[in-house]
Amino acid sequence: QVQLQESGPGLVKPSETLSLTCSVSGGPIAFYYWSWIRQSPGKGLEWIGYVFSSGSTNYNPSVKSRLIISVDTSKNQFSLRLSSVSAADTAVYYCARANAVGDAFDIWGQGTAITVSS
Amino acid sequence: ETVMTQSPATLSVSPGERVSLSCRASHSISRNVAWYQQKLGQAPRLLISLASTRATGIPARFSGTVSGAETEFTLTISSLQSEDFAVYFCQQFHDWPYTFGQGTKLEF
Repeated sequence: QVQLQESGPGLVKPSETLSLTCSVSGGPIAFYYWSWIRQSPGKGLEWIGYVFSSGSTNYNPSVKSRLIISVDTSKNQFSLRLSSVSAADTAVYYCARANAVGDAFDIWGQGTAITVSS
Repeated sequence: ETVMTQSPATLSVSPGERVSLSCRASHSISRNVAWYQQKLGQAPRLLISLASTRATGIPARFSGTVSGAETEFTLTISSLQSEDFAVYFCQQFHDWPYTFGQGTKLEF
């Protein structure tokens, strides 16, 4: 079955750029919508943005000015880059799949914990 | 953005009980709501989509309904099992940005 696996640095310094990758296995990356979602004790679950397999994107206005989500279909991966991070970006970051715009997230990765601290 | 409000935050229940969890949207969102279950240290798991459609492999004891001009959504667990003690989230996928409720925790 389809599985998602996040990878990331664990610790990022304030003002630096957070880079995460989600590897998709057991199925194609094509024709699906791939999202990043984060969860923190203070803000709960927050949808950050998605990338379609064609490369089109949609971002949450709360992070839009700092965010780039991209897809690499040759590697069956998609990635997140969040610049100018602060303590408010500390969270568990999940990648997740939706079958369409206007659909729920049917498959999630296990999550990767990111701490922003000097 | 659409605000999703869940109540109560915590619910004390016992195995075998019938449990209903509430989620209210700040405006009508048609049936574009999902319910997720999250256990400690795990990712959320999709239970229900489009307000009442169970996801693949989800037991029939989980059901979803909508009422109140498509602003009131309910997740019902007909007979609580020990493995159902978890946190439950609702999420709307009607408007951008997608938003989640704050969750309801079921505790013994």
